[in-house]
Amino acid sequence: EAGVAQSPRYKIIEKRQSVAFWCNPISGHATLYWYQQILGQGPKLLIQFQNNGVVDDSQLPKDRFSAERLKGVDSTLKIQPAKLEDSAVYLCASSGGHGYEQYFGPGTRLTVT
Amino acid sequence: AQRVTQPEKLLSVFKGAPVELKCNYSYSGSPELFWYVQYSRQRLQLLLRHISRESIKGFTADLNKGETSFHLKKPFAQEEDSAMYYCALRGETTGANSKLTFGKGITLSVRP
Repeated sequence: EAGVAQSPRYKIIEKRQSVAFWCNPISGHATLYWYQQILGQGPKLLIQFQNNGVVDDSQLPKDRFSAERLKGVDSTLKIQPAKLEDSAVYLCASSGGHGYEQYFGPGTRLTVT
Repeated sequence: AQRVTQPEKLLSVFKGAPVELKCNYSYSGSPELFWYVQYSRQRLQLLLRHISRESIKGFTADLNKGETSFHLKKPFAQEEDSAMYYCALRGETTGANSKLTFGKGITLSVRP
């Protein structure tokens, strides 16, 4: 089966610009996660969706980050405006349900200059 | 609050040597513990979870609630074990503590 797809793989922007990342989960997976992984750290959950509803967004900086999962399939994560400290790898993962194994995408490496 | 500590950043061993990757956690209830692995140029993937109590690629990990530890062990390291390893915890199946919390990770380097 095809894995979790993410695009773009790399993105370089200047601070105060906007950026969007896209994720296509494994077919049939109801739960979708966005993680931020800063260099030297483990992944940190930003937001979790169950179908098209938000389950947990307690660690999402809502003043600049937003995410949506229209129709309960693909998802988009947006940063507006970006800050230097947003430089990180953004990982998308999906699972068949909460508590099931999470499958990770390849990530998008964001550099903010 | 839930926290995972991986005290070492790098472990370098020779092929055939034993390996122990340390993981300690902080959580007041009964957590579920995991080890994830990321090989070079590959995606992050689940290696094992404590409730399975199985050996994967020769690796085992036992949950020690008294010491709040979940160390990953392998008796004889292979070069293909070289990778980044992350310990992770999930506190509950639902609610505020149900998300996965990861440690900072450790790089395992196995030399020939």
